[in-house]
Amino acid sequence: DARVTQTPRHKVTEMGQEVTMRCQPILGHNTVFWYRQTMMQGLELLAYFRNRAPLDDSGMPKDRFSAEMPDATLATLKIQPSEPRDSAVYFCASGLVLPRTGRLQPQHFGDGTRLSIL
Amino acid sequence: KNEVEQSPQNLTAQEGEFITINCSYSVGISALHWLQQHPGGGIVSLFMLSSGKKKHGRLIATINIQEKHSSLHITASHPRDSAVYICAVLQETSGSRLTFGEGTQLTVNP
Repeated sequence: DARVTQTPRHKVTEMGQEVTMRCQPILGHNTVFWYRQTMMQGLELLAYFRNRAPLDDSGMPKDRFSAEMPDATLATLKIQPSEPRDSAVYFCASGLVLPRTGRLQPQHFGDGTRLSIL
Repeated sequence: KNEVEQSPQNLTAQEGEFITINCSYSVGISALHWLQQHPGGGIVSLFMLSSGKKKHGRLIATINIQEKHSSLHITASHPRDSAVYICAVLQETSGSRLTFGEGTQLTVNP
């Protein structure tokens, strides 16, 4: 079965350090999402891309977060500088928007990166 | 008030029981998703629906667009069904942005 692959699975680092999370979407999917999950806020969308172009990053703190898709097989989410409040599980998901209907098919989620900022 | 509300927040059942989890939303939607998050953290998409009813094994999802309400039913529940079930809606005007409910923690005891 095709899967969304996220690395690393766990990351512990000190406040102020740069954190980079990576995601390999499922081959053929044209839409990639970054989500954050915390106990307080639940799941929330940070950003998403369609055909590698950013479509919506309104959920992302712009001063310290950045998301990119350097190519179709890699999406990255960076935090610089990291803060303790960034501690969360970050999920990447990918899906296919059908070109004829514009409808998004069910997303496939990666296993997440559990991030702890000390 | 959240745009997507689920009930109950927590549910404990005995193996074999019929389970219903509810989701109400207050916005116009193009689709509604039910997700399952396992105790290990992985998230799986169970259903995407925009009308009527869908069934997969022991799971049934229904939606009533006029009432802005969806239900997820589990028949003959099993301890392996223990997970968090999350309702998420794709708003008509939000592109591909999902809005999530807070989730329902289900525990099925043997």
